[in-house]
Amino acid sequence: DAGITQSPRHKVTETGTPVTLRCHQTENHRYMYWYRQDPGHGLRLIHYSYGVKDTDKGEVSDGYSVSRSKTEDFLLTLESATSSQTSVYFCALGTSGGNEQFFGPGTRLTVL
Amino acid sequence: AQTVTQSQPEMSVQEAETVTLSCTYDTSESNYYLFWYKQPPSRQMILVIRQEAYKQQNATENRFSVNFQKAAKSFSLKISDSQLGDTAMYFCAFMTPNAGKSTFGDGTTLTVKP
Repeated sequence: DAGITQSPRHKVTETGTPVTLRCHQTENHRYMYWYRQDPGHGLRLIHYSYGVKDTDKGEVSDGYSVSRSKTEDFLLTLESATSSQTSVYFCALGTSGGNEQFFGPGTRLTVL
Repeated sequence: AQTVTQSQPEMSVQEAETVTLSCTYDTSESNYYLFWYKQPPSRQMILVIRQEAYKQQNATENRFSVNFQKAAKSFSLKISDSQLGDTAMYFCAFMTPNAGKSTFGDGTTLTVKP
């Protein structure tokens, strides 16, 4: 695939605990994205990054923060996880022309 | 903001037959990209086909083709000679250039029956 990995792949945590998901790329793409996927819904954009230390909010950003200190890593943090954040999280890379995205394998997060 | 609507939550087709999945979208942009993604039970998002809005010719990839009607804001996917491996959820997506922010539809679950 496009040299994109996510860690962990599965996580179970308790309400109120902090959680960080990592997306790592080896492709040197400028754009990186975090999405969540819930039953009955497509992917919804949480946050995205258009360069190191350059990030912006998506449509469902409440309760999430991101950081990108180097090109290859994009971190998604849930400061205090809630049950409504139980979901499958996808990271994606975007080409500079903005005409294609490559998706990671996803992380299944369960908040009890 | 853009919206993408897939009006068929579930569809089924017999193996070797043809099926068409519907997608409509709403945008004020004149330049954009449209995609169909396949998501099998493995959860991996797989790009099926891509259409650039400024191209009038409909995109084709082997058994997969689209009917792109820009004025009607419609982007349907036709799968010919359906195979069991086509069983998956299919998502229609809209993307703006440059920043590349995507909007996805809610998906259509396609089942190919033997």
